[in-house]
Amino acid sequence: GAGVSQSPRYKVAKRGQDVALRCDPISGHVSLFWYQQALGQGPEFLTYFQNEAQLDKSGLPSDRFFAERPEGSVSTLKIQRTQQEDSAVYLCASSLTEVSYEQYFGPGTRLTVT
Amino acid sequence: DQQVKQNSPSLSVQEGRISILNCDYTNSMFDYFLWYKKYPAEGPTFLISISSIKDKNEDGRFTVFLNKSAKHLSLHIVPSQPGDSAVYFCAASNTDKLIFGTGTRLQVFP
Repeated sequence: GAGVSQSPRYKVAKRGQDVALRCDPISGHVSLFWYQQALGQGPEFLTYFQNEAQLDKSGLPSDRFFAERPEGSVSTLKIQRTQQEDSAVYLCASSLTEVSYEQYFGPGTRLTVT
Repeated sequence: DQQVKQNSPSLSVQEGRISILNCDYTNSMFDYFLWYKKYPAEGPTFLISISSIKDKNEDGRFTVFLNKSAKHLSLHIVPSQPGDSAVYFCAASNTDKLIFGTGTRLQVFP
């Protein structure tokens, strides 16, 4: 497809479980971003990759959150030992170049931790 | 501390009239501003942007105005159409990340 895709679209996890969320950016896009969107809020930055390099992870809320993009294309956001406060929509976005501000978003993964 | 604020959670406008969505920011280092539109169960879609060196950018029915001295920007949609009904997010950037406001839900009624 032409756009950013994310899977799964919905995920229900029991508290304490580990989850992995996948993002397929637009082909050829250099930059990839992860955001967390809580109910009624705007997306909040988690982390940023330029190709395979993770250049900024200042938004990751705790060391339970880990992201990777080993080949500079697909990215995975992993959350270990999920907690109820992790429940949110996780959005992935990509942009064409290192300096492009225009980010193209995927549909998101809605994570519910019970 | 919210660096980008959208103080109106919702706005209702009649079809054909102008919709004005507002956004305020606190960080004078922001150099690029964007508006995104979001439908339910979809990711935000880029709408229009403006660099801090400009005060206006127009694209069809959409115009963004930037007032740097007031640290304020606005999105004008004219004429408004029912398909414009969505949540609109203002975003700002000065490095790699976008900082979003909390959104304004626009409802355009016939």
